[in-house]
Amino acid sequence: EIVMTQSPATLSVSPGERATLSCRASQSVSSNLAWYQQKPGRAPRLLIYGASTRATGIPARFSGSGSGTEFTLTISSLQSEDFAVYYCQQYNNWPPWTFGQGTKVEIK
Amino acid sequence: EVQLLESGGGLVQPGGSLRLSCAASGFTFSNCAMSWVRQAPGKGLEWVSAISGSGGSTYYADSVKGRFTISRDNSKNTLYLQMNSLRVEDTAIYYCAKDGWGSGSYRPHWFDPWGQGTQVTVSS
Repeated sequence: EIVMTQSPATLSVSPGERATLSCRASQSVSSNLAWYQQKPGRAPRLLIYGASTRATGIPARFSGSGSGTEFTLTISSLQSEDFAVYYCQQYNNWPPWTFGQGTKVEIK
Repeated sequence: EVQLLESGGGLVQPGGSLRLSCAASGFTFSNCAMSWVRQAPGKGLEWVSAISGSGGSTYYADSVKGRFTISRDNSKNTLYLQMNSLRVEDTAIYYCAKDGWGSGSYRPHWFDPWGQGTQVTVSS
């Protein structure tokens, strides 16, 4: 099973600043990685797939990068609606499809 | 517009059973792999089970293997999760999710979209 590890657990950022979230896989997942955003009481929403392709309707301030075992989600200028929990997920080696434990982006 | 609507959650005693349903609309259901993903209170996301578009291939997390059964009725555009021998640790919100790859998938890739979820509570 591939273990996904996200860091940091919590990221405190001021509105308008850049946020950088990391995700590491226990072995290579190539570019088979997705990112999701989840707000309290809501279902997760797909942001990025293929490590760097934005899903339909996702603003350009969200970008993904990386391959192999190291991945990054960058939010270039945080808006109030971006404060949420973010999860990475690999779909290279399955089953199981595995998620990171999440990074909470909170207002500084 | 793709819509997924879960139902069937509730309160059940340890050792009991529940069947979850997920009604799908807005896409060709029989062409898409589907999954169940759960989230325990205050915890992260855990993939539970998946099924190919035809229903011929099924996949399970080790934590539920032998207790849960995934199935689908393509004539009714509905996904199911039969949960038996429920444990306290199965308490979670259960989401159904469509494979984001699109038509012709025999297994999930990324999950898009997700339903709103249904709460399952296992407690005596």
